[in-house]
Formats: sequence, C-alpha cells, structure tokens
Amino acid sequence: QQQVKQSPQSLIVQKGGISIINCAYENTAFDYFPWYQQFPGKGPALLIAIRPDVSEKKEGRFTISFNKSAKQFSLHIMDSQPGDSATYFCAASELAGGTSYGKLTFGQGTILTVHP
Amino acid sequence: GAGVSQSPSNKVTEKGKDVELRCDPISGHTALYWYRQSLGQGLEFLIYFQGNSAPDKSGLPSDRFSAERTGGSVSTLTIQRTQQEDSAVYLCASSKSRVSGANVLTFGAGSRLTVL
Repeated sequence: QQQVKQSPQSLIVQKGGISIINCAYENTAFDYFPWYQQFPGKGPALLIAIRPDVSEKKEGRFTISFNKSAKQFSLHIMDSQPGDSATYFCAASELAGGTSYGKLTFGQGTILTVHP
Repeated sequence: GAGVSQSPSNKVTEKGKDVELRCDPISGHTALYWYRQSLGQGLEFLIYFQGNSAPDKSGLPSDRFSAERTGGSVSTLTIQRTQQEDSAVYLCASSKSRVSGANVLTFGAGSRLTVL
C-alpha cells in the first residue's frame, strides 16, 4: 500500500534527447509527489514537485506529468545534458490533515547517464 | 551552518560493534528526518523528529536502532550490535515546519556505514 514503484532502473540518453522516468503508487491518500536528484557523494536535492490538482508542471527543461486515475506520474527531461547525469528518485507523501509532514516514500531510483 | 552536516562521512566497523552517526541540521529547521539508502534501493524512512513532539519511530527496522535529538538541534542515530545488513548510507534531512503545504527536505551528504 505504501510502495512507490519506479522504472527504469537505469537509462542512457544521448545529449539533446528526452529522458523519461516513470513512477506508480498504490496509496490513494498520497497527495504530494516530489522528484529528487542525487549526484554521487551528495544527498538528494529537490528538483520539482506536483500536487494532484494539476496534471502537469514544468520548470525549465523538467516536466512532471501526473495521471491521478492511473496513479502514475513521470518526469520528463527535455534536451538532456551530460550535467543531468545523476540518480533520480520519485517520492510521495500525505499532506492532507494539515500535518505538513515530510515522511516521504521513495521509489527505487533511476540512474540516468547522458552521453555527450 | 549553510547545509545539513553529517559525521562521520565514512565508518567501517566490525559486526557486533555499536556505532553512532551524527546529524547537525540547518539552523532554524525544526523538523529532522533519518533515512537509509541501501545499494540499489530507494530511500527508506527511519525516524522523524518535530520540535518537542514525540518522534515518529515507525521506520526503525529493529530495536537495535535508536535516535535522539538534543535541544531540538543535533541528532544522533545509534545502531547497537551492528549486522552486515546494516551496511548502507544513512541520510539525515531537515526542514522548516509549515502550517500547511509541503516541507522541502534538505539532505546531508550521508554517513556511509560498512559492517565487516
């Protein structure tokens, strides 16, 4: 019930291409869906996040698409660059109830490699 | 400090020994979280501290794991009688607490624990 399933485990993209990472969740109480980016030797850092009241959110080259009925969301990286090479984690949590609680359930991570 | 500081960055110990991992959160952040990142796995929630409230320990995998937060700031995660399966990167994060809306977690670089 609490799982977030992420795919693919690894992804290789050419510079300028589109990187797509998918996540699926089961818990319908989840109402906050962030993506974190992690470089080797560093902690994860928030990249972009979405609430279920919108189907898409775009920030620069990064877009989250959200499908509430399918309980799926995805990260699209347009014009992928070698500097985007990192591990990406999707996550989900419950904010309803006003607890403003950061207990995130993470996906397994996707190692993205962008070749020059 | 400017970010979340964790120490040690690397710890190698023998099976059965106790270890302590330290986290110094961002000044002014009232919420503190511990996560565990095992090789090839996502981030696993361990424990959450919020101000003077009782911590949420629901993610601690066994009674060998404990954590405390002194003075609402520095936190220590203690693993007693370490086992090889405890080998992982232990990540600490902190956030401001908000009345509503999502907390943005700022992660430290982690403490890599290797149990021989």
